[in-house]
Amino acid sequence: DTVLTQSPALAVSPGERVTISCRASESVSTLMHWYQQKPGQQPKLLIYKASNLASGVPARFSGSGSGTDFTFTIDPVEADDIATYYCHQSWNSPPTFGGGTKLELK
Amino acid sequence: EVQLVESGGGLVQPGRSMKLSCAASGFTFSDYYMAWVRQAPKKGLEWVASISYEGSSTYYGDSVKGRFTISRDNAKSTLYLQMNSLRSEDTATYYCARDPAWFAYWGQGTLVTVSS
Repeated sequence: DTVLTQSPALAVSPGERVTISCRASESVSTLMHWYQQKPGQQPKLLIYKASNLASGVPARFSGSGSGTDFTFTIDPVEADDIATYYCHQSWNSPPTFGGGTKLELK
Repeated sequence: EVQLVESGGGLVQPGRSMKLSCAASGFTFSDYYMAWVRQAPKKGLEWVASISYEGSSTYYGDSVKGRFTISRDNAKSTLYLQMNSLRSEDTATYYCARDPAWFAYWGQGTLVTVSS
């Protein structure tokens, strides 16, 4: 299975720029997607196919990358963005998720 | 507005069975693959199974293969997950999600607790 590796946690302040990385154990082309999950809620799609903004998602969120290295950026961070962010690949079977990066306030 | 509403979760003893349902609305159900994704308490997301438009093709994660069955009823716009031989490690919130490739829409989830 394709293993996706994310940093477990990041501390941020509102107004800052934050970048979350996701490294795949093998190429996933550009079929990497990003989700936001707040406590007690279902995940929400933010970015699909590496760099495409999902419908209704603010332009503060962006994604880039291809192959094995991907980044997800929030610029600027708002207090409401405190959540856990997951990457997800669907190029290789089975689809797999990263372990999640929890954004915390400094 | 796309809505996915799961039901059928609860407490079940190890070795027993349970069937989850997901009622879909706001889109043409038969035009989309559908999937189940689960999340154990305080853990990450795990893809469980996916099903093609008419249900002719199904796909499973290794941890549930042979025990779980995904199915759909397009006339009722409903997705199902039949779970047999349940184990404690199947304890999780189960989400249905609209496939393929990326999960654009998710239900609110239904909690399945496997315990004696």
